[in-house]
This record gives sequence, C-alpha cells and structure tokens, in this order.
Amino acid sequence: DADVTQTPRNRITKTGKRIMLECSQTKGHDRMYWYRQDPGLGLRLIYYSFDVKDINKGEISDGYSVSRQAQAKFSLSLESAIPNQTALYFCATSDFGGQPQHFGDGTRLSIL
Amino acid sequence: GIQVEQSPPDLILQEGANSTLRCNFSDSVNNLQWFHQNPWGQLINLFYIPSGTKQNGRLSATTVATERYSLLYISSSQTTDSGVYFCAGSTGANSKLTFGKGITLSVRP
Repeated sequence: DADVTQTPRNRITKTGKRIMLECSQTKGHDRMYWYRQDPGLGLRLIYYSFDVKDINKGEISDGYSVSRQAQAKFSLSLESAIPNQTALYFCATSDFGGQPQHFGDGTRLSIL
Repeated sequence: GIQVEQSPPDLILQEGANSTLRCNFSDSVNNLQWFHQNPWGQLINLFYIPSGTKQNGRLSATTVATERYSLLYISSSQTTDSGVYFCAGSTGANSKLTFGKGITLSVRP
C-alpha cells in the first residue's frame, strides 16, 4: 500500500548495532502499529500507538522501542540488535477501532 | 489473548478450482480481517468482516460471530491468488489484531 511507506526496505547489520526502522503514512489515520513476521508464526504485534501521546506495548516488545514523532510517523528502534531479531517487519495503520488495517511493504532485516 | 486457528495449513489448487479457507477463534471477536500476502511479501487487506457476508469479485467472506469462525471463499482460482492468507481478530474496544499462522495457497496453471 503506497499510502504507508517503510524505510529501509532491506537492511543487513551486525549484532550490537542500533537500528531504526521508519514508517510514514498519508492516510490520515490516528492508529499505527509495528509487527514482526517470522516464518510459520504469522504476525506478532510489537508496539502500537493510538495517537501521538499514546504508545503501548504489544505481545513482543522486549528489545524494541518506538517513537511517534507525529501523527504520520512511527519509528521502531532496536537498541542493540541480536540475531534472533532477524525477521520481516511491518508497519500498519488504521482509523478508529474496528477499521481495516493497511500495511506497508515491509522491511526485511537481517542481523549477523 | 485470543487464539486463532486457520485450516488447512497448505492448499494446492488447479487453476479454475474453488476453495474454502477457514479461521476459528477461541473467543468472540468484534474485529475480524482477512489478508493476502503475495509472493513478494506484500500484505493486502481483503476484508474487514466482523459479521455477515461480503463479496469482492471472485472472493467472498462469511463470518458467523456467534460460532466464532470465518470462511474465505475463492472461486475460479488464478495463479495470482497464490500466496499466504491470514485471518486476524481482536476483542473489546481496541484494535490489536491477533493473527493466525496463515494458509499457504498454491494455484497451478
């Protein structure tokens, strides 16, 4: 969905490095989410934000932090990357509760 | 949290065939969505369907909320339908989706 843009699309880095994944959206949605996808496990929620001042932990937040810089921007950081954080990361947005979620194209992250 | 089970885990179809994908929930959901992940990894929202039936071209979905399941129907399948189909749901007032593990569909020409 071109309305939700993730950067970078691919990243290879080393253990211990700090990494930031960025997400921006032009849909005007208040709610933004970060998910992680591992093979065979579906998607799991890392963090979510219902507005700029409302940030919440998801199912698997350990080792991650987020920043909601504006309504349209939501960044995910790995403070000290480890190999088991290698995964496909998705950002998503939605309007108020119950509305369809729209996903970015994902960031493929490899940690060596 | 809720548990989401999808079946079958894998499905192989000949082009032109019809199929039904199932999603079961451990609790009542008020937000149920179906997604298609194409071979390039992109996730596309197919349906937002907490109850009832919706149709979009060759795809349709039915959710029976009282029995905690949803079905996705694919008719006259095409090779472009290949990929992984996820259902996801949430309960209460929030929109935190819990995803199933997905159904991998391969449509052969």
